[in-house]
Amino acid sequence: GENVEQHPSTLSVQEGDSAVIKCTYSDSASNYFPWYKQELGKGPQLIIDIRSNVGEKKDQRIAVTLNKTAKHFSLHITETQPEDSAVYFCAASFPGGTSYGKLTFGQGTILTVHP
Amino acid sequence: EAGVAQSPRYKIIEKRQSVAFWCNPISGHATLYWYQQILGQGPKLLIQFQNNGVVDDSQLPKDRFSAERLKGVDSTLKIQPAKLEDSAVYLCASSPRTTYTEAFFGQGTRLTVV
Repeated sequence: GENVEQHPSTLSVQEGDSAVIKCTYSDSASNYFPWYKQELGKGPQLIIDIRSNVGEKKDQRIAVTLNKTAKHFSLHITETQPEDSAVYFCAASFPGGTSYGKLTFGQGTILTVHP
Repeated sequence: EAGVAQSPRYKIIEKRQSVAFWCNPISGHATLYWYQQILGQGPKLLIQFQNNGVVDDSQLPKDRFSAERLKGVDSTLKIQPAKLEDSAVYLCASSPRTTYTEAFFGQGTRLTVV
């Protein structure tokens, strides 16, 4: 099955700096890559996603890049703010068989933004 | 639009007892997922329903876990008997479709088995 590796496990930055979180996936058939933000005591919430036919997607201060050849994708947050502090998860999904639409998550990155 | 509702929020039980969790997905969402999230890890899929049929339960420990989705709407997840290693947050999510689609998560049920 699919395996998703996420790095780093913790990331500490100063307010205003950029933050980058990287993920690699194992199944070349995966074609959908969402990023979720999870705050304490809450369920994960989608912040951005990208499909396999796109190399980059941006939404205000966040962007995601995808390299299908290398099977890795990254989340970039610019001008970080204290409210960006949370746990971030990457995920990968592939269609077909009995596992269509199944999301496999990375282990998570604890992002701390210091004022 | 109302989100995914889960209950209870917290549950503490002794090992070998049984427990049930309830989920009400977003109205009209055909796909429903149950995930297990152990502290410090990413969510792991336990079971996925498409309407009221199971499409993936490959990681569900079927000797102790069961789930059903009656009439393609609400769902319940049951553990019987519980083990210490079942302590986790159980997340329910729903999606309007099965591919290229956002999964909307509930707040989860935190289970502690003592």
